[in-house]
Amino acid sequence: DIQMTQSPSTLSASVGDRVTITCRASQSISRWLAWYQQKPGKAPKLLIYKASSLESGVPSRFSGSGSGTEFTLTISSLQPDDFATYYCQQYNNYPLTFGGGTKVEIK
Amino acid sequence: EVQLVESGGGLVLPGGSLRLSCAASGFTFSSYAMSWVRQAPGMGLEWVSAISGSGGYTYYADSVKGRFTISRDNSKNTLYLQINSLRAEDTAVYYCAKGSEQWLAKTDYWGQGTLVTVSS
Repeated sequence: DIQMTQSPSTLSASVGDRVTITCRASQSISRWLAWYQQKPGKAPKLLIYKASSLESGVPSRFSGSGSGTEFTLTISSLQPDDFATYYCQQYNNYPLTFGGGTKVEIK
Repeated sequence: EVQLVESGGGLVLPGGSLRLSCAASGFTFSSYAMSWVRQAPGMGLEWVSAISGSGGYTYYADSVKGRFTISRDNSKNTLYLQINSLRAEDTAVYYCAKGSEQWLAKTDYWGQGTLVTVSS
């Protein structure tokens, strides 16, 4: 199984900050990586797919990059609505696997 | 508009069984893979199982293999998860999730989840 490791697990930031979250895969997944945002008590929401493609309706301050085993999610200017937990997921093969999550908190 | 509505969760005794359902609408159900993903209280997301659009292919996480069975009825636009031999560690919110293609693909829509609590 492919292991996905996210860092950091918690991130404290202020509105307007540039935020970067890293996701590492235990083996190459090409660009088959998605990023999701989850708020408390809600279902996850797709933000980025195929490592860098922005899902329709997602603000352009979100961006993704990477390939192979190293990936990043960047929020260019953190907004109040962005305080949430973020997960990466590989869909290169089954079983699909998620990273452990990164909680973005208000500093 | 894509809608996924789960049902069937509840309180069950250890060793018991439950069948979860997910009613889908707003898309051609048989054209897309579907998955179940769960989230234990205060924990991260754990993918559980997937089924291809036709229903001919299934896959399970090792943690549930042999106890959970995923199925779908394309005539009813409904996804199912039969859960047997329940354990305390199966306590979680179970989400129904739509894939973006017939088989291996990203998840593009999620239901609101149904809570399964395993406790005596």
